[in-house]
Amino acid sequence: DGGITQSPKYLFRKEGQNVTLSCEQNLNHDAMYWYRQDPGQGLRLIYYSQIVNDFQKGDIAEGYSVSREKKESFPLTVTSAQKNPTAFYLCASSKTGTGAFYEQYFGPGTRLTVT
Amino acid sequence: AQSVTQLDSHVSVSEGTPVLLRCNYSSSYSPSLFWYVQHPNKGLQLLLKYTSAATLVKGINGFEAEFKKSETSFHLTKPSAHMSDAAEYFCVVSDGGTASKLTFGTGTRLQVTL
Repeated sequence: DGGITQSPKYLFRKEGQNVTLSCEQNLNHDAMYWYRQDPGQGLRLIYYSQIVNDFQKGDIAEGYSVSREKKESFPLTVTSAQKNPTAFYLCASSKTGTGAFYEQYFGPGTRLTVT
Repeated sequence: AQSVTQLDSHVSVSEGTPVLLRCNYSSSYSPSLFWYVQHPNKGLQLLLKYTSAATLVKGINGFEAEFKKSETSFHLTKPSAHMSDAAEYFCVVSDGGTASKLTFGTGTRLQVTL
């Protein structure tokens, strides 16, 4: 059964702690993405990766870090430098290709609450 | 640069009546456009996509959308709403680059009443 898994579904942390969100895909997609969703703001791109060992900043990368050591995995670390980390985080993946328009497939999301 | 405007943040319809969710876009390229649906505390599911083939696109669950270049619109419709259609809907534009970066609208919450 192909798809994207994110764990955990709910995550609680104290302010000042780093936290890592997991994202795994078995769709054999080259590209993976992390989004943040806040009420009334749609989705905003944090980081994306088109290939293993390479990634680019999205629109709101400050306070976040990622790694892409394996094609299947793209973990996101929310650092203590992120001013407002409480949000719903969504991971996605897609095929890649020059000039192509590939849809993204989304995981179920992780809701992070920092107090 | 590309952008998407969803003209209604909230739409309420009665079960069995038509649904219309409005979306206008702006893009420097010949765009690809998508509609995604999100149920509460869930990920996003693709409803349909337009990629410069037929301008009338049919999707899952009876939804369809029409690409109108002259109006820069991509409105989502369904002839008859069902209670299970209640969710958040996102209109999305792609820049067509290698990594298919997406720009999301702010969403339209569809409420379906008896």
